[in-house]
Amino acid sequence: KAGVTQTPRYLIKTRGQQVTLSCSPISGHRSVSWYQQTPGQGLQFLFEYFSETQRNKGNFPGRFSGRQFSNSRSEMNVSTLELGDSALYLCASSLAMIAGAGDTQYFGPGTRLTVL
Amino acid sequence: GENVEQHPSTLSVQEGDSAVIKCTYSDSASNYFPWYKQELGKGPQLIIDIRSNVGEKKDQRIAVTLNKTAKHFSLHITETQPEDSAVYFCAASNEGGSTLGRLYFGRGTQLTVWP
Repeated sequence: KAGVTQTPRYLIKTRGQQVTLSCSPISGHRSVSWYQQTPGQGLQFLFEYFSETQRNKGNFPGRFSGRQFSNSRSEMNVSTLELGDSALYLCASSLAMIAGAGDTQYFGPGTRLTVL
Repeated sequence: GENVEQHPSTLSVQEGDSAVIKCTYSDSASNYFPWYKQELGKGPQLIIDIRSNVGEKKDQRIAVTLNKTAKHFSLHITETQPEDSAVYFCAASNEGGSTLGRLYFGRGTQLTVWP
């Protein structure tokens, strides 16, 4: 099976702009989680979607949002970009078919966002 | 929420030696503990995981142990090779709980294996 794919791989934006990142999960996986990775804060959870519904959200401002489509593909959006939003944004997919099992998360290569 | 501590932050070993990375967690409801390896320019790759109904799991040169009472788990890599050099992350989650789909990560360990 193909792994998790993320597009674009690299992105450069300026402060105040907005950005949309895309994630295609492994075929058959229904859950997609998003994480922000920075040297200072490490890997931090943004949100998780399952069957087009956001089930969990981390402690990020409302400028960070996401959605999931009926084919399980997911997008995340960051509005009014700030310098501190520069990071590697990772998405992970899992089967999530049964609560308490099958939640192994497989990560994509990430999107490197640089905000100037 | 859950808090995962990981030590050491850097680890250097000679090729062929063993490497051990330790993590502690705070939430007794956590029941799933994966380990990821991240190479430069890549996303984290799952290398092994363990669930709380198991005390130890092995996969060739890699093993993970879990002590639920003490709330700590460890990664053991034997016969290290230069290609094992990478950043390793431990994580914890509560499968089936209110934080379903969320992994709490340690800060990572940069492992360097010298030939």
